[in-house]
Amino acid sequence: AQKITQTQPGMFVQEKEAVTLDCTYDTSDQSYGLFWYKQPSSGEMIFLIYQGSYDEQNATEGRYSLNFQKARKSANLVISASQLGDSAMYFCAMREAGTALIFGKGTTLSVSS
Amino acid sequence: GAGVSQSPSNKVTEKGKDVELRCDPISGHTALYWYRQSLGQGLEFLIYFQGNSAPDKSGLPSDRFSAERTGGSVSTLTIQRTQQEDSAVYLCASSHTSGRASEQFFGPGTRLTVL
Repeated sequence: AQKITQTQPGMFVQEKEAVTLDCTYDTSDQSYGLFWYKQPSSGEMIFLIYQGSYDEQNATEGRYSLNFQKARKSANLVISASQLGDSAMYFCAMREAGTALIFGKGTTLSVSS
Repeated sequence: GAGVSQSPSNKVTEKGKDVELRCDPISGHTALYWYRQSLGQGLEFLIYFQGNSAPDKSGLPSDRFSAERTGGSVSTLTIQRTQQEDSAVYLCASSHTSGRASEQFFGPGTRLTVL
């Protein structure tokens, strides 16, 4: 069974609009971390935001926020006020204690003017 | 800059040849990870080193793949008798600790093409 599911292969949004990228995860651990990475066409992996399983507040980093719904095992990324430079592949990932990151298959975001 | 570096950036090889890919992690980072990304796909975990502990090799796809980390720093991923399905971008990452919150910093990757 997949541990990280990203159901949107592609998303399209206009500049200045907000967009939500979906991510659900599967774990039986109580302690885990959730990450979002951005991968532009250049190929580099850019860390965006982190949410710990015990964090009560949703994580925010500038225009990025993580909508964490623990009971639903959901960790959606919200990008507010989209910019052209946000066009990229976005990966949701989870880390259980003492393991490497497990990645979803990614969502391609296209921002148009 | 003191980021994660990888070499070579590109490698083209013939089927059946062995290749070595190198990763220099960020100084002081105790954890090092190798991932593989096939075209248009997500990242697939390969192997993970944490300090002096035995590496987690659970992601290696076959016994043609091996990796070592010398002196707790530089790591080399070796693929023996390469096959065309090994063609992918191989990404290395390092983190300060292996804790669940520890951010992984990625290198630029090595693009491997097996002809």
